[in-house]
Amino acid sequence: DAGVIQSPRHEVTEMGQEVTLRCKPISGHNSLFWYRQTMMRGLELLIYFNNNVPIDDSGMPEDRFSAKMPNASFSTLKIQPSEPRDSAVYFCASRSRENYGYTFGSGTRLTVV
Amino acid sequence: ELKVEQNPLFLSMQEGKNYTIYCNYSTTSDRLYWYRQDPGKSLESLFVLLSNGAVKQEGRLMASLDTKARLSTLHITAAVHDLSATYFCAVDNEEEGGADGLTFGKGTHLIIQP
Repeated sequence: DAGVIQSPRHEVTEMGQEVTLRCKPISGHNSLFWYRQTMMRGLELLIYFNNNVPIDDSGMPEDRFSAKMPNASFSTLKIQPSEPRDSAVYFCASRSRENYGYTFGSGTRLTVV
Repeated sequence: ELKVEQNPLFLSMQEGKNYTIYCNYSTTSDRLYWYRQDPGKSLESLFVLLSNGAVKQEGRLMASLDTKARLSTLHITAAVHDLSATYFCAVDNEEEGGADGLTFGKGTHLIIQP
Protein backbone atom coordinates (compact mmCIF):
# COMPACT_ATOMS: atom_id res chain seq x y z
CA ASP A 1 0.00 0.00 0.00
CA ALA A 2 1.66 3.20 -1.20
CA GLY A 3 -0.49 5.40 1.00
CA VAL A 4 -2.02 8.69 -0.11
CA ILE A 5 0.06 10.14 -2.93
CA GLN A 6 0.24 13.86 -3.58
CA SER A 7 1.99 15.79 -6.32
CA PRO A 8 3.88 17.95 -6.68
CA ARG A 9 5.76 18.00 -3.37
CA HIS A 10 6.77 21.61 -3.87
CA GLU A 11 5.32 24.28 -6.12
CA VAL A 12 6.56 27.82 -6.58
CA THR A 13 4.46 30.03 -8.79
CA GLU A 14 3.91 33.67 -9.54
CA MET A 15 0.88 35.55 -8.37
CA GLY A 16 -1.96 35.29 -10.86
CA GLN A 17 -0.97 31.90 -12.21
CA GLU A 18 -3.13 28.80 -12.04
CA VAL A 19 -2.01 26.06 -9.66
CA THR A 20 -3.24 22.46 -9.67
CA LEU A 21 -2.53 20.08 -6.82
CA ARG A 22 -3.12 16.36 -7.25
CA CYS A 23 -4.03 13.52 -4.93
CA LYS A 24 -4.39 9.76 -5.26
CA PRO A 25 -6.20 8.26 -2.25
CA ILE A 26 -5.67 4.80 -0.82
CA SER A 27 -7.47 2.20 -2.88
CA GLY A 28 -10.76 1.24 -1.25
CA HIS A 29 -11.09 4.41 0.81
CA ASN A 30 -14.38 6.10 0.01
CA SER A 31 -13.81 9.55 1.54
CA LEU A 32 -11.25 12.15 0.51
CA PHE A 33 -10.38 15.40 2.28
CA TRP A 34 -8.32 18.46 1.37
CA TYR A 35 -6.68 20.39 4.22
CA ARG A 36 -4.52 23.50 4.33
CA GLN A 37 -1.89 24.15 6.98
CA THR A 38 -0.47 27.57 7.84
CA MET A 39 1.28 28.92 10.90
CA MET A 40 -1.47 31.45 11.52
CA ARG A 41 -4.56 29.28 11.02
CA GLY A 42 -3.28 25.78 11.69
CA LEU A 43 -4.95 22.87 9.88
CA GLU A 44 -8.16 23.77 8.08
CA LEU A 45 -10.56 21.48 6.25
CA LEU A 46 -11.23 22.88 2.79
CA ILE A 47 -13.51 20.32 1.14
CA TYR A 48 -14.37 16.64 1.30
CA PHE A 49 -15.79 14.00 -1.01
CA ASN A 50 -17.75 10.84 -0.28
CA ASN A 51 -17.78 8.27 -3.09
CA ASN A 52 -16.36 10.92 -5.46
CA VAL A 53 -19.17 13.39 -4.73
CA PRO A 54 -18.33 16.76 -3.13
CA ILE A 55 -20.26 16.93 0.13
CA ASP A 56 -19.15 20.13 1.82
CA ASP A 57 -16.98 22.89 0.40
CA SER A 58 -17.77 25.48 3.07
CA GLY A 59 -14.11 25.54 4.05
CA MET A 60 -12.95 26.67 0.62
CA PRO A 61 -11.72 30.20 1.22
CA GLU A 62 -12.80 31.84 -2.02
CA ASP A 63 -14.19 31.21 -5.47
CA ARG A 64 -10.61 31.08 -6.69
CA PHE A 65 -10.43 27.61 -5.16
CA SER A 66 -12.09 24.60 -6.78
CA ALA A 67 -11.79 20.84 -6.33
CA LYS A 68 -12.81 17.84 -8.36
CA MET A 69 -12.81 14.09 -7.97
CA PRO A 70 -13.51 12.58 -11.40
CA ASN A 71 -13.01 9.00 -10.16
CA ALA A 72 -12.24 7.03 -7.02
CA SER A 73 -8.49 7.22 -7.51
CA PHE A 74 -7.86 10.87 -8.32
CA SER A 75 -8.66 14.35 -7.03
CA THR A 76 -7.43 17.84 -7.86
CA LEU A 77 -7.42 21.14 -6.01
CA LYS A 78 -7.09 24.14 -8.27
CA ILE A 79 -6.36 27.75 -7.41
CA GLN A 80 -6.97 30.30 -10.14
CA PRO A 81 -5.66 32.95 -9.91
CA SER A 82 -3.19 32.30 -7.12
CA GLU A 83 -2.24 34.95 -4.55
CA PRO A 84 0.65 35.17 -2.06
CA ARG A 85 -1.73 34.53 0.85
CA ASP A 86 -2.45 31.10 -0.63
CA SER A 87 1.07 30.04 0.31
CA ALA A 88 0.69 27.05 2.63
CA VAL A 89 1.07 23.30 2.83
CA TYR A 90 -1.90 21.49 1.31
CA PHE A 91 -2.64 17.99 2.54
CA CYS A 92 -4.91 15.38 1.07
CA ALA A 93 -6.28 12.63 3.31
CA SER A 94 -8.44 9.59 2.68
CA ARG A 95 -10.53 7.52 5.03
CA SER A 96 -12.08 4.10 5.18
CA ARG A 97 -15.51 3.84 6.76
CA GLU A 98 -14.60 0.51 8.28
CA ASN A 99 -11.91 1.68 10.68
CA TYR A 100 -12.45 5.46 10.87
CA GLY A 101 -8.75 6.08 10.30
CA TYR A 102 -7.63 9.12 8.31
CA THR A 103 -4.39 8.75 6.32
CA PHE A 104 -2.61 11.87 5.16
CA GLY A 105 -0.44 12.35 2.11
CA SER A 106 2.99 13.95 2.20
CA GLY A 107 1.56 17.35 1.34
CA THR A 108 2.28 19.98 -1.30
CA ARG A 109 4.19 23.03 -0.14
CA LEU A 110 2.89 25.93 -2.25
CA THR A 111 4.71 29.23 -2.45
CA VAL A 112 3.12 32.07 -4.41
CA VAL A 113 5.48 34.97 -5.08
CA GLU B 1 -18.88 25.49 15.93
CA LEU B 2 -16.68 22.63 17.07
CA LYS B 3 -13.66 23.82 19.07
CA VAL B 4 -10.60 21.78 19.96
CA GLU B 5 -8.14 23.24 22.46
CA GLN B 6 -4.76 21.81 23.31
CA ASN B 7 -2.47 22.76 26.13
CA PRO B 8 0.25 23.47 26.49
CA LEU B 9 1.08 24.79 23.01
CA PHE B 10 4.80 24.72 23.72
CA LEU B 11 6.63 22.34 26.00
CA SER B 12 10.32 21.97 26.66
CA MET B 13 11.27 19.07 28.87
CA GLN B 14 14.25 16.99 29.82
CA GLU B 15 14.89 13.44 28.83
CA GLY B 16 13.65 10.94 31.36
CA LYS B 17 10.78 13.10 32.61
CA ASN B 18 7.05 12.45 32.35
CA TYR B 19 4.49 14.87 31.04
CA THR B 20 0.90 15.10 29.80
CA ILE B 21 -0.65 17.02 26.91
CA TYR B 22 -4.33 17.88 27.28
CA CYS B 23 -6.98 18.14 24.59
CA ASN B 24 -10.40 19.61 25.36
CA TYR B 25 -13.18 19.70 22.80
CA SER B 26 -16.65 21.17 22.61
CA THR B 27 -18.69 18.40 20.98
CA THR B 28 -20.16 15.13 22.20
CA SER B 29 -18.00 13.19 19.77
CA ASP B 30 -16.52 9.89 20.88
CA ARG B 31 -13.90 9.74 18.13
CA LEU B 32 -10.61 11.40 18.98
CA TYR B 33 -7.35 11.22 17.06
CA TRP B 34 -3.73 11.97 17.92
CA TYR B 35 -1.15 12.76 15.26
CA ARG B 36 2.54 13.51 15.26
CA GLN B 37 4.18 15.91 12.81
CA ASP B 38 7.92 16.34 12.35
CA PRO B 39 9.17 19.60 10.76
CA GLY B 40 8.44 19.66 7.05
CA LYS B 41 6.69 16.29 7.18
CA SER B 42 3.19 14.94 7.01
CA LEU B 43 0.85 13.90 9.82
CA GLU B 44 1.56 10.50 11.25
CA SER B 45 -1.33 8.76 12.99
CA LEU B 46 -0.53 7.79 16.58
CA PHE B 47 -3.85 6.79 18.14
CA VAL B 48 -7.52 6.55 17.25
CA LEU B 49 -9.78 6.54 20.30
CA LEU B 50 -13.30 5.42 19.52
CA SER B 51 -15.16 5.22 22.82
CA ASN B 52 -15.40 6.62 26.32
CA GLY B 53 -12.70 5.24 28.55
CA ALA B 54 -10.53 4.13 25.63
CA VAL B 55 -6.86 3.87 26.47
CA LYS B 56 -4.11 3.04 23.99
CA GLN B 57 -0.38 2.75 24.46
CA GLU B 58 2.53 2.62 22.06
CA GLY B 59 6.01 2.69 23.51
CA ARG B 60 6.42 5.74 25.73
CA LEU B 61 3.12 7.30 24.63
CA MET B 62 -0.29 6.60 26.10
CA ALA B 63 -3.56 8.24 25.09
CA SER B 64 -6.90 8.20 26.87
CA LEU B 65 -10.38 9.52 26.21
CA ASP B 66 -13.06 10.74 28.62
CA THR B 67 -16.08 11.68 26.52
CA LYS B 68 -18.09 12.86 29.53
CA ALA B 69 -15.41 15.43 30.37
CA ARG B 70 -14.73 16.00 26.64
CA LEU B 71 -11.08 15.49 27.39
CA SER B 72 -8.27 13.43 25.95
CA THR B 73 -4.75 13.18 27.27
CA LEU B 74 -1.47 12.14 25.70
CA HIS B 75 0.98 11.01 28.37
CA ILE B 76 4.70 10.79 27.74
CA THR B 77 6.70 8.48 29.96
CA ALA B 78 10.47 8.83 30.41
CA ALA B 79 10.80 11.13 27.41
CA VAL B 80 13.58 10.64 24.87
CA HIS B 81 14.90 13.11 22.30
CA ASP B 82 13.30 11.21 19.39
CA LEU B 83 9.86 12.19 20.68
CA SER B 84 10.52 15.86 19.88
CA ALA B 85 7.81 16.86 17.40
CA THR B 86 4.48 18.67 17.18
CA TYR B 87 1.51 16.68 18.46
CA PHE B 88 -2.03 17.34 17.30
CA CYS B 89 -5.32 16.11 18.62
CA ALA B 90 -8.34 16.11 16.34
CA VAL B 91 -12.03 15.38 16.70
CA ASP B 92 -14.27 13.80 14.10
CA ASN B 93 -16.92 16.31 13.05
CA GLU B 94 -19.45 13.71 12.08
CA GLU B 95 -20.77 13.24 15.59
CA GLU B 96 -21.74 16.91 15.63
CA GLY B 97 -24.10 16.26 12.75
CA GLY B 98 -22.20 18.66 10.59
CA ALA B 99 -19.56 18.36 7.97
CA ASP B 100 -17.43 15.26 7.95
CA GLY B 101 -13.69 15.35 8.50
CA LEU B 102 -11.48 16.31 11.43
CA THR B 103 -11.20 19.52 13.40
CA PHE B 104 -7.69 19.95 14.75
CA GLY B 105 -6.24 21.60 17.80
CA LYS B 106 -3.42 24.10 17.33
CA GLY B 107 -0.80 21.51 18.19
CA THR B 108 1.71 21.10 21.01
CA HIS B 109 5.30 21.80 20.01
CA LEU B 110 7.37 19.46 22.14
CA ILE B 111 11.13 19.80 22.58
CA ILE B 112 12.96 17.17 24.60
CA GLN B 113 16.42 18.16 25.70
CA PRO B 114 19.21 15.79 26.74
